[in-house]
Amino acid sequence: QVQLVQSGAEVKKPGASVRVSCKASGYTFKNYVISWVRQTPGQGLEWMGWISTYSDEKKFAQKFQGRVTMTADASTSTAYMELRSLRSDDTAVYYCARDRDPYTYVYGYWGQGTLVTVSS
Amino acid sequence: DIQMTQSPSSLSASVGDRVTITCRASQGISDSLAWYQQKPGKVPKLLIYAASTLQSGVPSRFSGSGSGTDFTLTISSLQPEDVATYYCQKYNNAPFTFGPGTKVDI
Repeated sequence: QVQLVQSGAEVKKPGASVRVSCKASGYTFKNYVISWVRQTPGQGLEWMGWISTYSDEKKFAQKFQGRVTMTADASTSTAYMELRSLRSDDTAVYYCARDRDPYTYVYGYWGQGTLVTVSS
Repeated sequence: DIQMTQSPSSLSASVGDRVTITCRASQGISDSLAWYQQKPGKVPKLLIYAASTLQSGVPSRFSGSGSGTDFTLTISSLQPEDVATYYCQKYNNAPFTFGPGTKVDI
C-alpha cells in the first residue's frame, strides 16, 4: 500500500533553515510528483509547491519563491523540502502528498505531517 | 491567481440533517475541484475529485456537484463521524489553492 513517512518534529530559531523528508513506499516513486502543503496552527491548508520525481521539474507558490527548495532522491524514494530564513509565522505542520493519479494534483495520499516550530 | 472561497465558515447541524457546503472560484476552473475532509488532529482525506466523483471507500452520503466557478459538497444525512473541517481545492493549474475551510459540528 502507498505510504509516505515524514521526518520528525523540529524546533528552529528565527532565521534558520529546516529540511523535512518524505519517504515513499508501495509504488513506483518516479511515476508521481510529490507536493508539499502546510497548515499553520488553527488555520487552513496552504499549497507550497511540487517536484517531479522523474524530471526534477518544480513549481512553487509565489509566496515561497526564493525561500524553498524541493529535491527528490529516486535511489531512496525520498523527497525533501527545505525552507530557509524561517519566521515565527512559518510555524506549521508540513505535509507531503502524492497525486491520486499521475500529474493530477488531486492528493489521494498524505504523509503524517511534520510539526515545525519557529521560536527564539 | 484564482481565489477560492467557501461558505459558511462553520455550521452546526443535527444527526440526519442534510448539509450543504459551497465553494466558489474567482475564475472558471471547469470541473477541476476536489473536496477533502480533515478530522481534528488528523491528516486530510480526499472525498471527491473532478467536482463530483466519489473517491473509493467514501460513503455514498457524500456527493459533489458544480462546474465553472460554483461548487457544492452535500452530506445527505449527517453522521457523528462527519464532524470535521471540509476544504475545497482547485487543481486546473498551479497554484493549487485550497479554500479556507468549513467546520462542521453536531
